Amino acid sequence: NAGVMQNPRHLVRRRGQEARLRCSPMKGHSHVYWYRQLPEEGLKFMVYLQKENIIDESGMPKERFSAEFPKEGPSILRIQQVVRGDSAAYFCATSSQQVNEKLFFGSGTQLSVL
Amino acid sequence: QQQVKQSPQSLIVQKGGISIINCAYENTAFDYFPWYQQFPGKGPALLIAIRPDVSEKKEGRFTISFNKSAKQFSLHIMDSQPGDSATYFCAAGTGGTSYGKLTFGQGTILTVHP
Repeated sequence: NAGVMQNPRHLVRRRGQEARLRCSPMKGHSHVYWYRQLPEEGLKFMVYLQKENIIDESGMPKERFSAEFPKEGPSILRIQQVVRGDSAAYFCATSSQQVNEKLFFGSGTQLSVL
Repeated sequence: QQQVKQSPQSLIVQKGGISIINCAYENTAFDYFPWYQQFPGKGPALLIAIRPDVSEKKEGRFTISFNKSAKQFSLHIMDSQPGDSATYFCAAGTGGTSYGKLTFGQGTILTVHP
């Protein structure tokens, strides 16, 4: 039973480019959460999605950031026109409908903006 | 009001000793308090969690102590081992939207010397 899969592990972008981060949930998990971790800080909640629905995006920056979890395929966190301040580790976590408090995290995507 | 404050930032313990990490919160709506363990290059993994209807929960060498009136909770690692060396995060959540939407502390880097 594969865990939460995130790719790429490392992503380098130049300022102004787009970054796409992917997350495939564990089998049977329908809840997806994205968190951002800045150096020497804790994780910050960004967005919570279920299939085809954004449930809570209260932690998402108002501009340039978007997330989706389509009916088929992985969840995508998209950052348009990246800036240096977007450099961080982005983690996806998933949970099941039945035990939604037990989060399983992926290994993260380290985004570096040059 | 949404903050969770964690201390110390770093902790060095000898093998066999007790590691203690403390967290404090302000939002009385929080009713779920997990601890996560994170190794370098990996995502956080759920270690142990507690709800406010109990004052203590023990799983193996790991114990959470919870003080509802003081709005504080702590992680105790008994008989600390070098393999416990990792970053530990406390967190807090409510069931409002989902228990997967967590507020994390800043993290404690634990080093256990052999």
